[in-house]
Amino acid sequence: DQQVKQNSPSLSVQEGRISILNCDYTNSMFDYFLWYKKYPAEGPTFLISISSIKDKNEDGRFTVFLNKSAKHLSLHIVPSQPGDSAVYFCAASAPGYTGNQFYFGTGTSLTVIP
Amino acid sequence: EPEVTQTPSHQVTQMGQEVILRCVPISNHLYFYWYRQILGQKVEFLVSFYNNEISEKSEIFDDQFSVERPDGSNFTLKIRSTKLEDSAMYFCASSEFVRGNTEAFFGQGTRLTVV
Repeated sequence: DQQVKQNSPSLSVQEGRISILNCDYTNSMFDYFLWYKKYPAEGPTFLISISSIKDKNEDGRFTVFLNKSAKHLSLHIVPSQPGDSAVYFCAASAPGYTGNQFYFGTGTSLTVIP
Repeated sequence: EPEVTQTPSHQVTQMGQEVILRCVPISNHLYFYWYRQILGQKVEFLVSFYNNEISEKSEIFDDQFSVERPDGSNFTLKIRSTKLEDSAMYFCASSEFVRGNTEAFFGQGTRLTVV
């Protein structure tokens, strides 16, 4: 049962351009969403999060947008840099309902081309 | 910067053997997790642990698995009789708050290979 979906397994973007990574979820109880970045042979690193009471959260080059009605969130990276090349995981949780466990998507591998 | 540390980084074991994966969560964190990622697949939740007991567990976390916090710093995952399909990256994570919106911090993972 895939409750969090990342339908694009890979994405290539030119350096300096915008990277947009997408994520869809099915469980309407999810109210907290996170993006993690993962390099090979390392654990996921927290990047940015958003609560369901917001529709946008920005941190430097990273912005996460949440569309609750569409059960969709996206991560925008502007401008993209070669060091951003990694696998990006979307995750969701419903602390009041399913506890603190996070449900992860399958990841999108981002390649930023110099 | 505080971090979650895991040992060993790579463990090779024979099928049927017991393995213990070790983790040192961030010191002031209260909530601990184990996740795993089979090669090419998604990161899957195994178990969460709070106040010296299991808080939640997934269907994957069957009787072959157990967790323990043997002292004030370590958090371990034991697999009693490993199977080939247990081969995966195992990630330990910890978070600061018990409830509410908070991110989990992950360790670098232990690659378990069952042969």
